[in-house]
Amino acid sequence: AQSVTQLDSHVSVSEGTPVLLRCNYSSSYSPSLFWYVQHPNKGLQLLLKYTSAATLVKGINGFEAEFKKSETSFHLTKPSAHMSDAAEYFCVVSAGGATNKLIFGTGTLLAVQP
Amino acid sequence: DGGITQSPKYLFRKEGQNVTLSCEQNLNHDAMYWYRQDPGQGLRLIYYSQIVNDFQKGDIAEGYSVSREKKESFPLTVTSAQKNPTAFYLCASTPQNSFTDTQYFGPGTRLTVL
Repeated sequence: AQSVTQLDSHVSVSEGTPVLLRCNYSSSYSPSLFWYVQHPNKGLQLLLKYTSAATLVKGINGFEAEFKKSETSFHLTKPSAHMSDAAEYFCVVSAGGATNKLIFGTGTLLAVQP
Repeated sequence: DGGITQSPKYLFRKEGQNVTLSCEQNLNHDAMYWYRQDPGQGLRLIYYSQIVNDFQKGDIAEGYSVSREKKESFPLTVTSAQKNPTAFYLCASTPQNSFTDTQYFGPGTRLTVL
Protein backbone atom coordinates (compact mmCIF):
# COMPACT_ATOMS: atom_id res chain seq x y z
CA ALA A 1 0.00 0.00 0.00
CA GLN A 2 1.12 3.52 -0.69
CA SER A 3 2.03 5.80 2.21
CA VAL A 4 3.74 9.09 2.88
CA THR A 5 5.77 10.25 5.88
CA GLN A 6 6.66 13.82 6.69
CA LEU A 7 9.69 13.57 8.91
CA ASP A 8 9.26 16.84 10.82
CA SER A 9 6.04 18.12 12.34
CA HIS A 10 7.55 21.56 12.97
CA VAL A 11 10.40 23.43 11.25
CA SER A 12 11.63 26.87 12.24
CA VAL A 13 13.94 28.98 10.07
CA SER A 14 15.11 32.57 10.01
CA GLU A 15 14.01 34.86 7.23
CA GLY A 16 16.49 34.70 4.34
CA THR A 17 17.82 31.22 5.22
CA PRO A 18 17.11 28.01 3.26
CA VAL A 19 14.04 25.88 3.83
CA LEU A 20 14.05 22.06 3.78
CA LEU A 21 10.88 20.10 4.44
CA ARG A 22 11.37 16.35 4.29
CA CYS A 23 9.04 13.76 2.81
CA ASN A 24 9.48 10.03 2.26
CA TYR A 25 7.00 7.88 0.42
CA SER A 26 6.29 4.22 -0.04
CA SER A 27 4.85 2.99 -3.30
CA SER A 28 4.78 -0.24 -5.25
CA TYR A 29 4.62 1.62 -8.53
CA SER A 30 5.71 4.97 -9.94
CA PRO A 31 3.52 7.45 -8.07
CA SER A 32 2.45 11.03 -8.59
CA LEU A 33 3.72 13.25 -5.77
CA PHE A 34 2.56 16.68 -4.67
CA TRP A 35 3.25 19.42 -2.19
CA TYR A 36 0.32 21.52 -1.02
CA VAL A 37 0.47 24.57 1.28
CA GLN A 38 -2.19 25.69 3.77
CA HIS A 39 -2.23 29.09 5.42
CA PRO A 40 -4.12 29.35 8.74
CA ASN A 41 -7.85 28.66 8.43
CA LYS A 42 -7.63 28.47 4.66
CA GLY A 43 -7.94 25.80 2.01
CA LEU A 44 -4.93 24.09 0.46
CA GLN A 45 -3.09 25.36 -2.59
CA LEU A 46 -0.90 23.30 -4.92
CA LEU A 47 2.79 24.24 -4.76
CA LEU A 48 4.10 21.69 -7.23
CA LYS A 49 3.62 18.15 -8.53
CA TYR A 50 5.72 15.33 -9.94
CA THR A 51 4.18 13.01 -12.53
CA SER A 52 7.16 11.03 -13.91
CA ALA A 53 8.63 13.76 -16.06
CA ALA A 54 11.69 15.72 -14.86
CA THR A 55 12.85 14.67 -11.39
CA LEU A 56 13.47 18.27 -10.30
CA VAL A 57 10.15 20.02 -10.12
CA LYS A 58 9.80 23.77 -9.81
CA GLY A 59 6.74 25.23 -8.16
CA ILE A 60 5.26 28.55 -7.21
CA ASN A 61 6.86 31.10 -4.87
CA GLY A 62 10.40 29.81 -5.44
CA PHE A 63 9.83 26.31 -4.08
CA GLU A 64 11.16 23.18 -5.72
CA ALA A 65 11.32 19.48 -4.96
CA GLU A 66 13.44 16.62 -6.21
CA PHE A 67 12.09 13.15 -6.78
CA LYS A 68 14.71 10.58 -5.68
CA LYS A 69 13.52 7.09 -6.41
CA SER A 70 16.55 5.40 -4.81
CA GLU A 71 15.85 7.22 -1.53
CA THR A 72 12.03 7.22 -1.91
CA SER A 73 12.11 10.90 -1.05
CA PHE A 74 10.47 14.07 -2.34
CA HIS A 75 11.88 16.85 -0.17
CA LEU A 76 10.70 20.44 -0.58
CA THR A 77 13.28 23.24 -0.66
CA LYS A 78 13.51 26.98 -1.05
CA PRO A 79 16.79 28.92 -1.10
CA SER A 80 15.62 31.85 0.99
CA ALA A 81 12.64 31.90 3.35
CA HIS A 82 10.20 34.79 3.43
CA MET A 83 7.86 35.69 6.26
CA SER A 84 4.89 34.90 4.00
CA ASP A 85 6.10 31.27 3.71
CA ALA A 86 4.93 30.57 7.27
CA ALA A 87 2.21 27.95 6.82
CA GLU A 88 1.56 24.23 6.98
CA TYR A 89 2.89 22.08 4.15
CA PHE A 90 1.50 18.71 3.11
CA CYS A 91 3.29 16.06 1.08
CA VAL A 92 0.82 13.95 -0.90
CA VAL A 93 1.14 10.72 -2.88
CA SER A 94 -1.31 9.13 -5.29
CA ALA A 95 -2.63 5.79 -4.09
CA GLY A 96 -2.67 4.12 -7.49
CA GLY A 97 -5.22 1.54 -8.40
CA ALA A 98 -8.54 2.18 -10.08
CA THR A 99 -9.34 5.42 -8.25
CA ASN A 100 -5.81 6.77 -7.68
CA LYS A 101 -6.96 8.66 -4.56
CA LEU A 102 -4.59 10.97 -2.74
CA ILE A 103 -2.86 10.07 0.51
CA PHE A 104 -1.92 13.10 2.60
CA GLY A 105 0.99 13.33 5.01
CA THR A 106 0.41 14.68 8.50
CA GLY A 107 1.86 18.08 7.64
CA THR A 108 4.90 20.19 8.55
CA LEU A 109 4.31 23.52 10.20
CA LEU A 110 6.89 26.03 8.98
CA ALA A 111 7.67 29.01 11.20
CA VAL A 112 9.77 31.88 9.83
CA GLN A 113 11.52 34.06 12.37
CA PRO A 114 12.40 37.70 11.56
CA ASP B 1 -13.77 35.49 -10.06
CA GLY B 2 -13.77 31.71 -10.39
CA GLY B 3 -13.39 29.57 -7.36
CA ILE B 4 -14.92 27.41 -4.67
CA THR B 5 -17.03 28.82 -1.89
CA GLN B 6 -17.93 27.08 1.33
CA SER B 7 -20.46 28.24 3.86
CA PRO B 8 -20.73 28.85 6.66
CA LYS B 9 -17.17 29.54 7.78
CA TYR B 10 -17.96 28.49 11.35
CA LEU B 11 -20.79 26.17 12.40
CA PHE B 12 -21.89 25.09 15.84
CA ARG B 13 -24.12 22.09 16.34
CA LYS B 14 -25.75 20.45 19.29
CA GLU B 15 -25.33 16.73 19.70
CA GLY B 16 -28.01 14.78 17.87
CA GLN B 17 -28.57 17.39 15.16
CA ASN B 18 -27.89 17.01 11.47
CA VAL B 19 -26.12 19.88 9.72
CA THR B 20 -25.43 20.58 6.06
CA LEU B 21 -22.25 22.21 4.79
CA SER B 22 -22.43 24.03 1.50
CA CYS B 23 -19.87 23.78 -1.33
CA GLU B 24 -20.30 25.63 -4.62
CA GLN B 25 -17.89 26.00 -7.54
CA ASN B 26 -18.06 28.11 -10.67
CA LEU B 27 -14.99 26.58 -12.30
CA ASN B 28 -17.04 24.18 -14.44
CA HIS B 29 -15.11 21.30 -12.88
CA ASP B 30 -16.42 17.78 -13.30
CA ALA B 31 -15.27 16.24 -10.02
CA MET B 32 -15.79 17.40 -6.44
CA TYR B 33 -14.47 16.09 -3.13
CA TRP B 34 -15.05 16.42 0.60
CA TYR B 35 -12.19 16.04 3.06
CA ARG B 36 -12.00 16.17 6.83
CA GLN B 37 -8.98 17.67 8.60
CA ASP B 38 -8.14 17.04 12.26
CA PRO B 39 -5.19 18.58 14.15
CA GLY B 40 -1.93 16.75 13.51
CA GLN B 41 -3.44 14.62 10.77
CA GLY B 42 -3.52 14.81 7.04
CA LEU B 43 -6.71 15.24 5.09
CA ARG B 44 -9.01 12.24 4.92
CA LEU B 45 -11.46 11.68 2.07
CA ILE B 46 -15.15 11.52 3.01
CA TYR B 47 -16.97 11.39 -0.32
CA TYR B 48 -16.27 12.27 -3.93
CA SER B 49 -18.33 12.79 -7.05
CA GLN B 50 -17.05 12.46 -10.59
CA ILE B 51 -20.29 13.37 -12.35
CA VAL B 52 -23.69 14.80 -11.59
CA ASN B 53 -26.06 12.40 -9.84
CA ASP B 54 -23.23 10.04 -8.91
CA PHE B 55 -20.92 9.87 -5.90
CA GLN B 56 -18.69 7.37 -4.12
CA LYS B 57 -17.67 6.80 -0.52
CA GLY B 58 -14.21 7.76 0.53
CA ASP B 59 -12.23 6.39 3.44
CA ILE B 60 -14.38 7.78 6.28
CA ALA B 61 -17.93 8.04 4.89
CA GLU B 62 -19.77 6.68 7.95
CA GLY B 63 -22.06 9.29 9.48
CA TYR B 64 -21.97 11.53 6.40
CA SER B 65 -24.15 11.90 3.32
CA VAL B 66 -23.87 13.91 0.10
CA SER B 67 -25.80 14.78 -3.04
CA ARG B 68 -24.74 16.02 -6.48
CA GLU B 69 -27.88 17.29 -8.20
CA LYS B 70 -26.05 20.08 -9.98
CA LYS B 71 -22.53 20.21 -11.42
CA GLU B 72 -21.62 23.26 -9.36
CA SER B 73 -22.91 22.08 -5.98
CA PHE B 74 -21.85 19.26 -3.65
CA PRO B 75 -23.37 19.69 -0.16
CA LEU B 76 -22.25 17.51 2.75
CA THR B 77 -24.60 16.51 5.56
CA VAL B 78 -23.07 15.55 8.88
CA THR B 79 -25.61 13.31 10.56
CA SER B 80 -26.12 12.49 14.21
CA ALA B 81 -24.55 9.09 13.47
CA GLN B 82 -21.12 10.71 13.10
CA LYS B 83 -19.57 10.08 16.50
CA ASN B 84 -16.89 12.77 16.45
CA PRO B 85 -17.89 15.48 13.98
CA THR B 86 -15.86 18.38 15.35
CA ALA B 87 -13.31 19.10 12.61
CA PHE B 88 -12.33 21.37 9.73
CA TYR B 89 -14.11 20.37 6.51
CA LEU B 90 -12.63 21.13 3.11
CA CYS B 91 -14.28 20.90 -0.27
CA ALA B 92 -12.23 20.60 -3.45
CA SER B 93 -12.72 20.16 -7.17
CA THR B 94 -10.71 19.01 -10.18
CA PRO B 95 -11.26 19.87 -13.85
CA GLN B 96 -11.56 16.22 -14.83
CA ASN B 97 -12.31 12.97 -13.06
CA SER B 98 -8.82 12.51 -11.73
CA PHE B 99 -7.48 12.84 -8.21
CA THR B 100 -4.07 13.71 -9.63
CA ASP B 101 -5.34 16.81 -11.40
CA THR B 102 -4.62 19.94 -9.43
CA GLN B 103 -7.17 20.03 -6.63
CA TYR B 104 -8.72 23.45 -6.02
CA PHE B 105 -9.80 23.88 -2.42
CA GLY B 106 -12.42 26.05 -0.80
CA PRO B 107 -11.66 28.02 2.39
CA GLY B 108 -13.20 25.40 4.66
CA THR B 109 -15.93 25.16 7.29
CA ARG B 110 -15.02 24.65 10.93
CA LEU B 111 -17.69 22.55 12.66
CA THR B 112 -17.89 22.40 16.43
CA VAL B 113 -20.27 20.16 18.31
CA LEU B 114 -21.36 21.59 21.63
